[in-house]
Amino acid sequence: GEDVEQSLFLSVREGDSSVINCTYTDSSSTYLYWYKQEPGAGLQLLTYIFSNMDMKQDQRLTVLLNKKDKHLSLRIADTQTGDSAIYFCAETPNYGGATNKLIFGTGTLLAVQP
Amino acid sequence: DTAVSQTPKYLVTQMGNDKSIKCEQNLGHDTMYWYKQDSKKFLKIMFSYNNKELIINETVPNRFSPKSPDKAHLNLHINSLELGDSAVYFCASSLPGTSVDEQYFGPGTRLTVT
Repeated sequence: GEDVEQSLFLSVREGDSSVINCTYTDSSSTYLYWYKQEPGAGLQLLTYIFSNMDMKQDQRLTVLLNKKDKHLSLRIADTQTGDSAIYFCAETPNYGGATNKLIFGTGTLLAVQP
Repeated sequence: DTAVSQTPKYLVTQMGNDKSIKCEQNLGHDTMYWYKQDSKKFLKIMFSYNNKELIINETVPNRFSPKSPDKAHLNLHINSLELGDSAVYFCASSLPGTSVDEQYFGPGTRLTVT
């Protein structure tokens, strides 16, 4: 199947760390992505991880990948109110063709309390 | 300069009408996509074109007809609109073959069918 699951909602206080989890389905996905959607806007690529990596760090963002369990997580350190958005994980089960279909997770709404 | 633009931003229409949404990208990308985001924020691919050629058609009703006059444009025409077509439609573009194949999203078109 193509169900990519995420928890629906996460609330944190400003300055805390946020961890958003994702369970994907296709072990052949070459890249796994995190996209951010701010209110009323389109999606923007936040970060990604290549499938042969376990971890990737990019400033306040840390991506962890557990291929055995097909589990992906995004940690945001020192969460700010500007991080409030919906976060989508995505996989690409047929990467490398003329077009790459993104299968998106169900989305996690991150609410940051001041 | 807007990278991926869509018109209109909002579209309110009655059941049974025919409407079009336009998308343009100025990134020089070869591939363009249409995604549908429903009221629960679930995001699913509808179509993908590469160099004006249809690559992906995700079992979308044939009331939806995409058209790509050139590789910078991908329009979506919807016939006989139904209540269930109400959603936000996102256009995206990418350049497959690059290492990450980041997809760039437009701001979305909110379609409301009454």
